[in-house]
Amino acid sequence: QQQVKQSPQSLIVQKGGIPIINCAYENTAFDYFPWYQQFPGKGPALLIAIRPDVSEKKEGRFTISFNKSAKQFSLHIMDSQPGDSATYFCAAAWGGGFKTIFGAGTRLFVKA
Amino acid sequence: DGGITQSPKYLFRKEGQNVTLSCEQNLNHDAMYWYRQDPGQGLRLIYYSQIVNDFQKGDIAEGYSVSREKKESFPLTVTSAQKNPTAFYLCASSSDRGPGANVLTFGAGSRLTVL
Repeated sequence: QQQVKQSPQSLIVQKGGIPIINCAYENTAFDYFPWYQQFPGKGPALLIAIRPDVSEKKEGRFTISFNKSAKQFSLHIMDSQPGDSATYFCAAAWGGGFKTIFGAGTRLFVKA
Repeated sequence: DGGITQSPKYLFRKEGQNVTLSCEQNLNHDAMYWYRQDPGQGLRLIYYSQIVNDFQKGDIAEGYSVSREKKESFPLTVTSAQKNPTAFYLCASSSDRGPGANVLTFGAGSRLTVL
């Protein structure tokens, strides 16, 4: 119940494409769903996050779609650029940072 | 600029040695965390601290120890009891309560290699 399952493990798209990364969870106590972006040799940084009372959140080229009944959420990157090449982690949290569960990560490569 | 500073960035250890990773933050955050990152396994919580002089074990605390003597500092010691210590270690912090409690700010990480 504590797992967050993330797919795919890796993803290659052409510049301008729309990569989609999917995550699924079991624990209905989760009330915060962030996505973190990590470049090689760096720490992750918060990219965008959503709470379960909305079905979609958009910030620039990044969109989270959230399906509460299916217990799934996904990240879409519009008009992807080579600079978006990074590892993306979904996570689910409740009650504080120490109750954050991370997905296994998706390595995205955007070809120029 | 506010942030988290981890040092050293790279560290090599011989078997049987203890090593200490430094983590300092100037974000005035109450909560601090240590995560371990291995390829394909996401981030796993080692220890966390919500207040000075108090800390709790995370999911994979065996072979590690921490201290929290100052709000700004949360060092991690990787002891010789840790069977597979080669990994990328990440320190993070957050507010202790309110909307910011779930928002983790990470340092740049320390890569430990056992020779």
